[in-house]
Amino acid sequence: GDSVTQMEGPVTLSEEAFLTINCTYTATGYPSLFWYVQYPGEGLQLLLKATKADDKGSNKGFEATYRKETTSFHLEKGSVQVSDSAVYFCALRSGGGADGLTFGKGTHLIIQP
Amino acid sequence: GAVVSQHPSRVICKSGTSVKIECRSLDFQATTMFWYRQFPKQSLMLMATSNEGSKATYEQGVEKDKFLINHASLTLSTLTVTSAHPEDSSFYICSATDAGGGDTQYFGPGTRLTVL
Repeated sequence: GDSVTQMEGPVTLSEEAFLTINCTYTATGYPSLFWYVQYPGEGLQLLLKATKADDKGSNKGFEATYRKETTSFHLEKGSVQVSDSAVYFCALRSGGGADGLTFGKGTHLIIQP
Repeated sequence: GAVVSQHPSRVICKSGTSVKIECRSLDFQATTMFWYRQFPKQSLMLMATSNEGSKATYEQGVEKDKFLINHASLTLSTLTVTSAHPEDSSFYICSATDAGGGDTQYFGPGTRLTVL
């Protein structure tokens, strides 16, 4: 079945540091890939997505590129801020919009001033 | 943006009782709603998919008689945990897609269920 593996946390960085959170997946066919973010006390919010190979999703300075050859969708940001502290979830969807998502375990990111 | 609410945010109940959790789309109509379950330090696991006016589709291993899902309108889905036991204690999260178009899932803030 489908699965998503992302790096374990917590990840602690200083403000303005470069961020990478690794995500790899296993799926049949050509899944859509997502990054969701969960701020304390709030629901998951879509951060970015990519629907086909070599697509790059981007939002709020975060980027991730759909790499079919390495089955990866790593999340990056050039300069993190304290406000980026949250839990980040990588997810995939094998089917269409009526299908549920398969999530990774989440990575807790802590940014220190 | 699209907002999904859940009620209650926390519930504590005695073993053997039933608990109902509501999921509402506040500013859009939801064609499809999803229910997930999250254990501590684990990923969200899809439990079931519900479409308005039809029976829910449950994932393998999820007991449909244990977790009753009703999607009575385009803005409301309910999950009832029947005869709850301590092993049902978990974080339950719903999401919804907009009937007006797009396939983005909008998530509720979750409900923490503790069964004593």
